[in-house]
Amino acid sequence: NAGVMQNPRHLVRRRGQEARLRCSPMKGHSHVYWYRQLPEEGLKFMVYLQKENIIDESGMPKERFSAEFPKEGPSILRIQQVVRGDSAAYFCASSPRGVGTTNEKLFFGSGTQLSVL
Amino acid sequence: AQKITQTQPGMFVQEKEAVTLDCTYDTSDQSYGLFWYKQPSSGEMIFLIYQGSYDEQNATEGRYSLNFQKARKSANLVISASQLGDSAMYFCAMNYGGATNKLIFGTGTLLAVQP
Repeated sequence: NAGVMQNPRHLVRRRGQEARLRCSPMKGHSHVYWYRQLPEEGLKFMVYLQKENIIDESGMPKERFSAEFPKEGPSILRIQQVVRGDSAAYFCASSPRGVGTTNEKLFFGSGTQLSVL
Repeated sequence: AQKITQTQPGMFVQEKEAVTLDCTYDTSDQSYGLFWYKQPSSGEMIFLIYQGSYDEQNATEGRYSLNFQKARKSANLVISASQLGDSAMYFCAMNYGGATNKLIFGTGTLLAVQP
């Protein structure tokens, strides 16, 4: 039973390029969360998606960042025109249920380390 | 606003001894959950233990236990009989946002287990 799969594990981009981070949730999980971890900090919530729907994007920067979770395929976090400040570890997490469940633990992937040169 | 505070940037512990990692939280919600995650040097986030705000008993999972003191708003993690493999970053987290079940994380404590 595979866990949450993220790829690539490491991604290097030059300033101005686009970064695409992929996340396949655990089998049977339809709720996906993206978190960002800056150096020396804890994870910070970015966006929460269910299949084909963005439920909560209150932690997402208003520009250059977008996320999707299509009916088929992985969830994608897309960062356009990357800047050095986007360098961070990006974690995806999934859960079988999200709404109305306060004790639903999240299963995290291994993260994608984005480095912007 | 919700807040998680971990005041210990780093801790040392001798192998086979117990260690307590501190976590305090702030929330105006009546219903909430508290989590501890472990992040080894490989980077993945590993769930360790969960405590619900209405749970009367302290949570335990193997060598991990959560010392939950609701009035003091603290949720300390106790690791008994430390092992070398316990060396990692440990994050305390709390869910918020009601139905969306988002987590807010503390800044973490780096635990080093010495032989």
